[in-house]
Formats: sequence, structure tokens, C-alpha cells
Amino acid sequence: DQQVKQNSPSLSVQEGRISILNCDYTNSMFDYFLWYKKYPAEGPTFLISISSIKDKNEDGRFTVFLNKSAKHLSLHIVPSQPGDSAVYFCAASETGSARQLTFGSGTQLTVLP
Amino acid sequence: DTAVSQTPKYLVTQMGNDKSIKCEQNLGHDTMYWYKQDSKKFLKIMFSYNNKELIINETVPNRFSPKSPDKAHLNLHINSLELGDSAVYFCASSPPGRGHTGELFFGEGSRLTVL
Repeated sequence: DQQVKQNSPSLSVQEGRISILNCDYTNSMFDYFLWYKKYPAEGPTFLISISSIKDKNEDGRFTVFLNKSAKHLSLHIVPSQPGDSAVYFCAASETGSARQLTFGSGTQLTVLP
Repeated sequence: DTAVSQTPKYLVTQMGNDKSIKCEQNLGHDTMYWYKQDSKKFLKIMFSYNNKELIINETVPNRFSPKSPDKAHLNLHINSLELGDSAVYFCASSPPGRGHTGELFFGEGSRLTVL
């Protein structure tokens, strides 16, 4: 039972354009959402997060949008750069879960020069 | 100066053997974790320790035994290895005061291949 789903295993975009990565969840108790970025042969690194009391959080070129009614979040990267090419994992947690994250399966983003 | 370091990075072994993966963090964090990334690429939590005490123990075979000698170390010992144990194992830590937010700092991963 995958509670966090990333239905697109891969995405290719041109340098300079917008990248939109999507994530859906099924557990309505999730109240905190995170995106991690992973390069080959490295561990995931934290990118950006959002609490369920917000619907948008922005950090430089990265913006995360949360639609609670649809149980959907997305990560926007604009403008996309070749160095953004990596696997992006969506993750979620709920209050009182002792920091237990539930991860999606990841989306491989390739930014073409 | 690696913040979360795991050894070994690669491990190839035969079925039935016993092996260990070590993890150390120099970030001063109080909570450490083991995650398993399976063939479908999902990262799933296995164990979590807070100040050397076990706080999360997901449904994993009891052939897997974590050991935390101090809050900077969390080792994973696996007995009687099976083919299905082949995966990448990630150690992670999180700083105090983060509540449930779950921002984790991961190691580079240890790729275990069981033949």
C-alpha cells in the first residue's frame, strides 16, 4: 500500500524551462511534506518542505505547492539547470510519528542543455 | 568531513552469511535511522534510535539487528543473508527539536548484493 506516489518515473525538460514534479498521497493524517534530491552514488539531500497549514513555499528557484483537498503536491523548478538533473523524492510525515517519513519512488529529472 | 558516513559502500556476499554495516554521524544529532531502498526504488524506514534507544522498529525480519553504542553511531547487523536482502541501505540522522518535520541527513548508502 503506497501512501505516497510519484507516478512519473522520469521527466525531461530543456534548460531554462520549468520542471514540474508531481506527488500524490493517500493518508489524510500527513501534515508535513518534503522533497529530497538524490544524485547517483549519493544519499538523498533535503531540498524544500511545506506544512499542511500552507499551500505554497518558495526557496529560490524551487517552489512547492500543496493541494490538500486533492492530496497532491508539486515541486516547480524554474529556471531548470543541467545541475538539477537528479532523482527527486517526495516524502510525507504526520505529527507524532517520531519523524517517520514515507517516501515515494522518485522521479528522475533530466535537464537537457 | 562527511557528516553521515557509512561503511562499507559496497558489499557482495553469499546467502547465509552474516554481515554488518556501520554508520557514524558527526553532526551532533540525537536521532539516527536505517532506511532500505528496494528494487522498486522506495525508501522504507527500518529502524530509528533516539539517544541510543530504539523508537521505531518497522516490520523487518529479526535477522536484522541494529546496535547503537552511542548517539553518534548506529550499526546494522544482518544474520543469515537472503537474496531478498539485496538493496541499498541508507543511514540517516536528524537534529533535535525538529518535531515531526522529518528533515533527515542521509549517508551515501551501502549497496548490499547477496548471491
